[in-house]
Amino acid sequence: GQNIDQPTEMTATEGAIVQINCTYQTSGFNGLFWYQQHAGEAPTFLSYNVLDGLEEKGRFSSFLSRSKGYSYLLLKELQMKDSASYLCAVNQAGTALIFGKGTTLSVSS
Amino acid sequence: DVKVTQSSRYLVKRTGEKVFLECVQDMDHENMFWYRQDPGLGLRLIYFSYDVKMKEKGDIPEGYSVSREKKERFSLILESASTNQTSMYLCASSYAGRGRPQHFGDGTRLSIL
Repeated sequence: GQNIDQPTEMTATEGAIVQINCTYQTSGFNGLFWYQQHAGEAPTFLSYNVLDGLEEKGRFSSFLSRSKGYSYLLLKELQMKDSASYLCAVNQAGTALIFGKGTTLSVSS
Repeated sequence: DVKVTQSSRYLVKRTGEKVFLECVQDMDHENMFWYRQDPGLGLRLIYFSYDVKMKEKGDIPEGYSVSREKKERFSLILESASTNQTSMYLCASSYAGRGRPQHFGDGTRLSIL
């Protein structure tokens, strides 16, 4: 079967660092995406990992371990505007993505 | 900037009606997708298309059909709307090839009464 797990909710304070984990079990693997979705808005692309290791993009970094079926999104220097849902999605093969249920992050001052 | 436009932001229909949701993208993307998003269930793929007149079923195609007559336009059709199809519908598009991100429209919140 296929399964993607993320925590449902997380809270953090402004200026802190937060790590959102994603574990997956899929029949194939062709890369993992992270998206950000603010309430009432469209998801927007954050990162893509296909090889093991860390990809850094400003305040956001994403890590992948294919042997462990594990990824995380690391958000540094948190800001209020980072309050959103974060979606992990796996490309099994071909074109389609399988999405996790998303992690809602609340950042407080 | 990529633009994916969905025809309606909010739509209210009655059970049994045939409902059309339209999506247009302006980036000459090969792939187009229709998802529904429900609380606690996340984004689920209904159908996708990798070329004009081509379509593939996603995870939950029952009760839906799609049409792609032109590259830029992908339509989702609810053949006979039912209350369990009340949801947020999101269209997305992407270039072909590994690692190409999908770009999403703002969504259509559809209520079936």
